[in-house]
Amino acid sequence: GAGVSQTPSNKVTEKGKYVELRCDPISGHTALYWYRQSLGQGPEFLIYFQGTGAADDSGLPNDRFFAVRPEGSVSTLKIQRTERGDSAVYLCASSLSGWDTEAFFGQGTRLTVV
Amino acid sequence: ELKVEQNPLFLSMQEGKNYTIYCNYSTTSDRLYWYRQDPGKSLESLFVLLSNGAVKQEGRLMASLDTKARLSTLHITAAVHDLSATYFCAVVFYNTDKLIFGTGTRLQVFP
Repeated sequence: GAGVSQTPSNKVTEKGKYVELRCDPISGHTALYWYRQSLGQGPEFLIYFQGTGAADDSGLPNDRFFAVRPEGSVSTLKIQRTERGDSAVYLCASSLSGWDTEAFFGQGTRLTVV
Repeated sequence: ELKVEQNPLFLSMQEGKNYTIYCNYSTTSDRLYWYRQDPGKSLESLFVLLSNGAVKQEGRLMASLDTKARLSTLHITAAVHDLSATYFCAVVFYNTDKLIFGTGTRLQVFP
């Protein structure tokens, strides 16, 4: 595709529910990153994939958060038992091989937990 | 601790004026990025700075890097309203694969 695509663009869910957020990277990009941005803050690192594997998942806040990239392309961020504090914009970025190549960010998914 | 700090956090400036945004980071970096974010939009890459003394310019924006001081600056020359946005610096620290963002500087340019 032309750029990094994230779906849905907006998601409202009830506290305690499970949500999945999808990221379609630019074709051919092996590196994929998830970030979370709260209102008025800078993006906060969550996880980095190189191909199918999570090279660094140290930013995932707790075990309710999980991400996969089974075929090395599309990635899904999964949040279990959502809490109001999970409300934020979730950003995905991809790059050709890592941060030594230019990364492109998607438009984000705005998650609201009510 | 891997930390990136920006100041000021908020900047209101008149069209035609010059100003500088500062970005300090805590330890050795591999590279430093400057991004622009418009309200409700994603991040647009402006500059990547790789080495000590690097300077890059695009239009009214100029970014520089001093790795010894662990400091980058984004200088705005003769500001125009279209530059109103939030600007982030972000650092890839040495021997990590994480891009760590600063808190951002919200810039408003008024007539």
